[in-house]
Amino acid sequence: EVQLVESGGGLVQPGGSLRLSCAASGFTFSSYWMSWVRQAPGKGLEWVANIKQDGSEKYYVDSVKGRFTISRDNAKNSLYLQMNSLRAEDTAVYYCARATPYSDENWFDPWGQGTLVTVSS
Amino acid sequence: DIQMTQSPSSLSASVGDRVTITCRASQGISNSLAWYQQKPGKAPKLLLYAASRLESGVPSRFSGSGSGTDYTLTISSLQPEDFATYYCQQYYSTPPTFGPGTKVDIK
Repeated sequence: EVQLVESGGGLVQPGGSLRLSCAASGFTFSSYWMSWVRQAPGKGLEWVANIKQDGSEKYYVDSVKGRFTISRDNAKNSLYLQMNSLRAEDTAVYYCARATPYSDENWFDPWGQGTLVTVSS
Repeated sequence: DIQMTQSPSSLSASVGDRVTITCRASQGISNSLAWYQQKPGKAPKLLLYAASRLESGVPSRFSGSGSGTDYTLTISSLQPEDFATYYCQQYYSTPPTFGPGTKVDIK
């Protein structure tokens, strides 16, 4: 069974840092683009970042550029999101999502269960 | 960035009804469109990709169509488990962007 399990969410003060992890299983992790997508409470979905199979290409939504870093460890079948300089508007459930092996087929399936990040003093 | 809009933002329907949701992109996206279903407290689930291709395991009452900037998701006969929020997403260009969602609830 293909499975994605996020961890690392929690309460952090504005300006703080947090590192999210996503453990993948049930598929060849190193063959897929991977993404983080977030959803603020009661709001819609927003793509945050993605990373190529070998980590050589990374892309970010403008609102997190320079603050968030996506990375992966194919040996550990894991995806990460380092979040620095956190703001209240970063409060959201963060989902790890598998894309496809191809950069122009950027839909997401499956998704993890999500991990909640709350930025508040 | 490509902006996505959806209509209606919400609708009330009965079991057995035919339901259509519209998604519009701010520029042509060449059928690079996916649809997701999300239930409260759960992660989104992929329903269709490439505008009209049904994801494996998704019931055939779900279908998609469209071209250029305008796309539709149709549920041919609404079932109790279909009450949820539906999102479209374009992947024609980076960043991929989602529509604001359409909530389908029980009439």
